[in-house]
Amino acid sequence: DAKTTQPTSMDCAEGRAANLPCNHSTISGNEYVYWYRQIHSQGPQYIIHGLKNNETNEMASLIITEDRKSSTLILPHATLRDTAVYYCIVRVVLAGGATNKLIFGTGTLLAVQP
Amino acid sequence: KAGVTQTPRYLIKTRGQQVTLSCSPISGHRSVSWYQQTPGQGLQFLFEYFSETQRNKGNFPGRFSGRQFSNSRSEMNVSTLELGDSALYLCASSSLGDGYTFGSGTRLTVV
Repeated sequence: DAKTTQPTSMDCAEGRAANLPCNHSTISGNEYVYWYRQIHSQGPQYIIHGLKNNETNEMASLIITEDRKSSTLILPHATLRDTAVYYCIVRVVLAGGATNKLIFGTGTLLAVQP
Repeated sequence: KAGVTQTPRYLIKTRGQQVTLSCSPISGHRSVSWYQQTPGQGLQFLFEYFSETQRNKGNFPGRFSGRQFSNSRSEMNVSTLELGDSALYLCASSSLGDGYTFGSGTRLTVV
């Protein structure tokens, strides 16, 4: 079963910041938080990931609470092309880089409104 | 660099037939995973291969199988197709510790 809880859907005005929450209260110390998004009929696209520090890249920022039980993905200036289903996933990265499977939940459908 | 390539893009098969889907990972990526996506079940993990060895397997019947070649290309096979196997099949490749990069998928329709 998925280890994360996300709202089913959210709206955001174009040009505004989109803040997508995720609860992962049972996260283990060695589990990373990953975010992917899927635009209709395409494969999921990697956005960002983090362990305990906040992370930022060219696409988004990831804010992880100090107790690591929740996180927020921030799209600073949402555009219509950001309309997609956003998945928050916790994932173990094993020793030597061996990786575990991704367990997808139902995600959040973000609708960016003009 | 080239992304993950899945072929064919679309496929129509009849019940009882078998099908083979192909995935070419990003150059240098040794891990290839397969996922099934349906409206009812969402994205579900099928299996993962690393250096030609199956490393993880999801909860799917034995009709679903896969393999990985020495060049990291992977194939998945579904035998005795059922209507419920109609889905988008996604392949993802990964390098050590990185996020997965997904292909565009193969949309399989079983009639």
